[in-house]
Amino acid sequence: NAGVTQTPKFQVLKTGQSMTLQCAQDMNHEYMSWYRQDPGMGLRLIHYSVGAGITDQGEVPNGYNVSRSTTEDFPLRLLSAAPSQTSVYFCASSPSTGGKGNTIYFGEGSWLTVV
Amino acid sequence: KQEVTQIPAALSVPEGENLVLNCSFTDSAIYNLQWFRQDPGKGLTSLLLIQSSQREQTSGRLNASLDKSSGRSTLYIAASQPGDSATYLCAVVGGTASKLTFGTGTRLQVTL
Repeated sequence: NAGVTQTPKFQVLKTGQSMTLQCAQDMNHEYMSWYRQDPGMGLRLIHYSVGAGITDQGEVPNGYNVSRSTTEDFPLRLLSAAPSQTSVYFCASSPSTGGKGNTIYFGEGSWLTVV
Repeated sequence: KQEVTQIPAALSVPEGENLVLNCSFTDSAIYNLQWFRQDPGKGLTSLLLIQSSQREQTSGRLNASLDKSSGRSTLYIAASQPGDSATYLCAVVGGTASKLTFGTGTRLQVTL
């Protein structure tokens, strides 16, 4: 019973490098999203998807790209890493759009440091 | 813009004590409110979900209440245990489907 799986768990990047954070869920959930968690700021929504082929921006989308080619996978791409993107990233999924009335499931997080 | 505030930011209580965590939000037009638990180095685990039409939800020693009109929710933990030590976050869902807004959390430590 995997739930929401994120990889890698830890990553160090140099400024300007690109990378992809992987997220996969095995619960056939329509809704998936990416958050970043920073001290004193809570979790902030980066991008979300309400189904395969459909993505939209959240609160802090700049510097990030997403795609949703399958129901299961929702990768987050950092195009050109900056120190301001040092954070903990969480992927989440829920059965229907926006978690209305549905429990939201989170992955265990990806710790990213940009030097 | 929805803002969610949690007070206190940190709390330390002795084992066995009953305690209340507070969550307030500025926009009462919400679909639901959820309480999560986060252990160090881990993701978030959903504890309770309260629909906007509900007043409270209970799960074991946890009871969450919602007063939508005043923009407040409380999480009551009965007979606290050291294993309850974690950060507790509340989040509201409102506006468009994507808008899950989190508070910054209350870090709880239950001491022996």
